[in-house]
Amino acid sequence: AQSVTQLGSHVSVSEGALVLLRCNYSSSVPPYLFWYVQYPNQGLQLLLKYTSAATLVKGINGFEAEFKKSETSFHLTKPSAHMSDAAEYFCAVSDQGTDKLIFGTGTRLQVFP
Amino acid sequence: DTAVSQTPKYLVTQMGNDKSIKCEQNLGHDTMYWYKQDSKKFLKIMFSYNNKELIINETVPNRFSPKSPDKAHLNLHINSLELGDSAVYFCASSQTSGFLSTGELFFGEGSRLTVL
Repeated sequence: AQSVTQLGSHVSVSEGALVLLRCNYSSSVPPYLFWYVQYPNQGLQLLLKYTSAATLVKGINGFEAEFKKSETSFHLTKPSAHMSDAAEYFCAVSDQGTDKLIFGTGTRLQVFP
Repeated sequence: DTAVSQTPKYLVTQMGNDKSIKCEQNLGHDTMYWYKQDSKKFLKIMFSYNNKELIINETVPNRFSPKSPDKAHLNLHINSLELGDSAVYFCASSQTSGFLSTGELFFGEGSRLTVL
């Protein structure tokens, strides 16, 4: 069965610091991988997705993620955190071409001035 | 123009009552979903419909009954509400092409259900 594990339920960084949110996946077939962001009292929105093309994926708001098959990882990074990045971030996996997304447990990002 | 809209946003009710949450999407997508997010933010798929047909049903109690009158609407009716049903329920939609999906879901803002 597919799954994703997000290491660290809470991550705190200073404004301007590097953001690194970790995600490892488990899948018996090449997966599609996603990062979604949830701002307070809102629904989730897609940040970026990996669908077996380029391994380095750029998303919105300056975020990017790198698919590393050898490490079964898809970590999310941003070079310089902004206060507006404070939110809950979810990693998700699906079988190629299916509707069913399996979400991780989420990582809350706090950004301090 | 809200792409995926849910009503109501907040719902407070007593145990044993029946309630419904409505969802509409104006994106022209052919697949819609209900997800449940618990108090620890864990998101779990409940149902998905493709062109009004049930595709995914994730071992959800029979008290939960989705209904899709057309591909732009997916409603969720819950009978005999229990304390454990308290959660935020998210509707989402996506576009599929045959059996292929982009995997990109567009979410509504959620409906927070509190059962007392």
